[in-house]
Amino acid sequence: NAGVTQTPKFRVLKTGQSMTLLCAQDMNHEYMYWYRQDPGMGLRLIHYSVGEGTTAKGEVPDGYNVSRLKKQNFLLGLESAAPSQTSVYFCASSSGGESHNEQFFGPGTRLTVL
Amino acid sequence: GQNIDQPTEMTATEGAIVQINCTYQTSGFNGLFWYQQHAGEAPTFLSYNVLDGLEEKGRFSSFLSRSKGYSYLLLKELQMKDSASYLCAVTDSNYQLIWGAGTKLIIKP
Repeated sequence: NAGVTQTPKFRVLKTGQSMTLLCAQDMNHEYMYWYRQDPGMGLRLIHYSVGEGTTAKGEVPDGYNVSRLKKQNFLLGLESAAPSQTSVYFCASSSGGESHNEQFFGPGTRLTVL
Repeated sequence: GQNIDQPTEMTATEGAIVQINCTYQTSGFNGLFWYQQHAGEAPTFLSYNVLDGLEEKGRFSSFLSRSKGYSYLLLKELQMKDSASYLCAVTDSNYQLIWGAGTKLIIKP
């Protein structure tokens, strides 16, 4: 099993450009998450999904949109990139929303917005 | 507000023992996780505590005191490969994970 995969691994954008980050998981997990990780700060939840066709806002959703058309995929879109969105983005998945369900993370996407 | 505090950085010697502390103030509590994250890599699960007490797993142990809002991760017989960041995360009343900024552990020979 590949677990959780993310594409691309690295990307450089100019301010105002758009892009989509793809996350895929082969563990048949219901829940999927998008986080950003910035130096000196904890992981911050952008959006999450509790099942195919559903999405919800996390702590820092502004400037991002998501879609979960298939259970195994969770897409994160940036419509008009800003330098403040320079970060490392992690996708994660879990089997459920219960407190004990650990999250499995993808390798991350390093995004720089100039 | 919700807050999780961990030391920013710690240094320890190969073969020694180190304790990484985590204190939290969250809206509700439904469990506490510890994750390990090597530089440039994804976080990986280490431990989960929901009841008070010590959970031991090989060289790693995790302790929880819910009344004190406190946890620690204990690493024994330190190896160079244990050099990493250790992230504390709490599941709040909405079953969302609130993450600490992580503790960077440096192991010296």
